Amino acid sequence: NAGVTQTPKFQVLKTGQSMTLQCAQDMNHEYMSWYRQDPGMGLRLIHYSVGAGITDQGEVPNGYNVSRSTTEDFPLRLLSAAPSQTSVYFCASSYSRRLAGAYEQYFGPGTRLTVT
Amino acid sequence: QQQVKQSPQSLIVQKGGISIINCAYENTAFDYFPWYQQFPGKGPALLIAIRPDVSEKKEGRFTISFNKSAKQFSLHIMDSQPGDSATYFCAANLSGTYKYIFGTGTRLKVLA
Repeated sequence: NAGVTQTPKFQVLKTGQSMTLQCAQDMNHEYMSWYRQDPGMGLRLIHYSVGAGITDQGEVPNGYNVSRSTTEDFPLRLLSAAPSQTSVYFCASSYSRRLAGAYEQYFGPGTRLTVT
Repeated sequence: QQQVKQSPQSLIVQKGGISIINCAYENTAFDYFPWYQQFPGKGPALLIAIRPDVSEKKEGRFTISFNKSAKQFSLHIMDSQPGDSATYFCAANLSGTYKYIFGTGTRLKVLA
């Protein structure tokens, strides 16, 4: 299993540009999420999905869109990049909470995004 | 209140010493408390986790102590090693949801 994969590893955007961060998992996890990590602020939840076709907002959703057409993929779209979106972005997945004891989140390696 | 407050922000420990990181929460609806370890350039990885019906959980050199009445939990790393140097995050899962709230992280450096 490759686990959770993210592409690209690094990206530089100009203000106003759009792009999509890719996330895929091969563990058949129902739950997937996107976090951003900023110095001194920990990880903050952007959007999450509990299954194909179902998404919801986290703590900091503004400026980001998501969709979940398959169990495996959960892309994050930046509609019009702003310098405040400079961050490290992590995708995570886990089994459904309906499976007893299966609470572990698996994180991808991250995408470091700089918006100039 | 859905915050999880983590301290200290950074910690330096001698090899062989005990590293202690603390977290506190307000929301009694949290029902699962994991700790994550993150090395530079990598994603966080689950280290150890506890549920509030248990006061302590130990896995090797890593122990979580949980105080339900005080709404606090802590990570203890016994016999700290230079390889433990990393950033540690506590987190809390909101019962009935998939949402995790993370602490702000503690950067641990273990001196050889």
